[in-house]
Order: sequence, then structure tokens, then C-alpha cells
Amino acid sequence: GIQVEQSPPDLILQEGANSTLRCNFSDSVNNLQWFHQNPWGQLINLFYIPSGTKQNGRLSATTVATERYSLLYISSSQTTDSGVYFCAVERRNTGFQKLVFGTGTRLLVSP
Amino acid sequence: DSGVTQTPKHLITATGQRVTLRCSPRSGDLSVYWYQQSLDQGLQFLIHYYNGEERAKGNILERFSAQQFPDLHSELNLSSLELGDSALYFCASSVEGFGEQYFGPGTRLTVT
Repeated sequence: GIQVEQSPPDLILQEGANSTLRCNFSDSVNNLQWFHQNPWGQLINLFYIPSGTKQNGRLSATTVATERYSLLYISSSQTTDSGVYFCAVERRNTGFQKLVFGTGTRLLVSP
Repeated sequence: DSGVTQTPKHLITATGQRVTLRCSPRSGDLSVYWYQQSLDQGLQFLIHYYNGEERAKGNILERFSAQQFPDLHSELNLSSLELGDSALYFCASSVEGFGEQYFGPGTRLTVT
């Protein structure tokens, strides 16, 4: 099946710092989503971004589908950004609609 | 709030028991997906229903079953529970059988 690798696995930042999280995937995809899992376990949709660039406030994401990677940018980080960030993809043309998740990047933002 | 609801939020039960987890998709969404998040396996796809019909199965144990009802809500039934079934179970929905998936708050199952 498709492989999804996220880096770095762990990240510690001071409040106000910027960061870039990366997601590499091993095959063509129909769907790519970024999620934030907060400390209470909720999965929050950040971006639906199978290709191109999107921005939402301090967050932005870029997916280069032809090179099989996606980047999530967090600017001016806040303590509420702490949690685990997951990239999830759906492989193209399988007729099998499921998301395959990476192992996540655990982010801790300290005050 | 994604618009997907799951009940109960927490469930504690003993080995060998059976439980039912419930999910209501976002209004208008026809697809329901179930995922399991455990410490050792990460987030894994279990099963997908579209408009009442099973569309795809992932790593779902034979002790687990699901269905989607005419009003589009779904239930995941877990039987003969084992300690290793302790996990966070998520339901997600999408408008069609593809596209962006929206996740519910999850049900945290603890098997003792």
C-alpha cells in the first residue's frame, strides 16, 4: 500500500517561532488532508489540499503532487498549536476510499 | 465543530463484552468511515459505508461489524472485547464516496 512519512517526528518551539512540517507519500493521490489532534484527542481538519497552496490565518500548506510531498507551515506559533499534526492521503485510482495516515509530528510550543 | 457526532464519548467495559458505538454524519453527507487509533498501530481505516452500502473494508477484525441505517447514521459493533481493543474510535463523513473527510470527536474505549 501507499506509504506516508512525516518529519520531524517531534518538534519543540518557543512561542512566536515559525515551523515547517513535511509529509512524503509514495504514490499518486486523490486526496491529501492535514489534521491537528489536540491534547483532548480531537482531530481538527486543517486543510484539504491534494495539490496547490492554501492559507488559513497563521497556517498554510503546499502540496506538490508531482513530487509527492506536502508541507504545512505554522507561523507565529502559539501554545494552543501544541498537539500532533497528521498528514493523510487517499491513493489515486484504487476505487477504495480510505485515508492512510502518517505517524504524525508531535509539536510542543512553550510560552 | 465538524458537524459529525459520536456517542458515547467514553466507554469502559470488561473483556469479553460487546459494545456499540454510534455516529451521525454531517447533514447531507452520504459516506461514513470508521477509523481506529491505538498506541501501537496509529490511525487505521476500518470500514466505509456509502448511502447504506458497504464500500470498503480495511483492517477490521471479524469480531467487529458495522452498518449504516436509512437515516445515514452508522453503528460500529465490537464484540468479544480484548484488552488490545482499547483505543480511540473515530467516525468521519464526506459528501460523496470521495473527497474531504470530516472527523467526529471520537469514542474512547477502555477494555479492562
